[in-house]
Amino acid sequence: GENVEQHPSTLSVQEGDSAVIKCTYSDSASNYFPWYKQELGKGPQLIIDIRSNVGEKKDQRIAVTLNKTAKHFSLHITETQPEDSAVYFCAASDSGGSNYKLTFGKGTLLTVNP
Amino acid sequence: DTAVSQTPKYLVTQMGNDKSIKCEQNLGHDTMYWYKQDSKKFLKIMFSYNNKELIINETVPNRFSPKSPDKAHLNLHINSLELGDSAVYFCASSQDGDGLRETQYFGPGTRLLVL
Repeated sequence: GENVEQHPSTLSVQEGDSAVIKCTYSDSASNYFPWYKQELGKGPQLIIDIRSNVGEKKDQRIAVTLNKTAKHFSLHITETQPEDSAVYFCAASDSGGSNYKLTFGKGTLLTVNP
Repeated sequence: DTAVSQTPKYLVTQMGNDKSIKCEQNLGHDTMYWYKQDSKKFLKIMFSYNNKELIINETVPNRFSPKSPDKAHLNLHINSLELGDSAVYFCASSQDGDGLRETQYFGPGTRLLVL
């Protein structure tokens, strides 16, 4: 089955700096890669996703890059703000199968210091 | 309006008890899921139902039994609760269709503590 590794487990940055979180996956059949943000006491919320036919996707201060050959994808947050502080999860899914199962990384606790 | 809702938000109970967690989605989605998040924040799929039919069962102890009375509801019943069942349980849903089902929307979670 799919295995998703996520690094780092914790990341502390100063407000205004950039933050990068990296994930690798094992199953070459995976073709959908979402990122979720989980604030304290809440459920994970989708913030951006990318499919295997795209190498990069941006949404304001957030971008995701995908390297299918190397089987890794990354989340980039620019101009970080204190409200970006949360746990971020990457995930991978094989949407070509009958079951659209998401396999999650173990999460990155991002702290943005004012 | 809450898209995916769960009740209760908190559940404290004794070992050996039986409890249920309810989930409802008002998004019109066809597929619903249960995830378990342990103390280290690791999120793992437990079950998935599509139009009331079980499609994913991830080697969960048979003390856990999901029930889907209709496609807007997926409840989780847990028998003979154990200390290791303490965790946060999340319900999620997604829409059928090419390029849609992978995008899952999560509920706020149910924090279960077994004493």
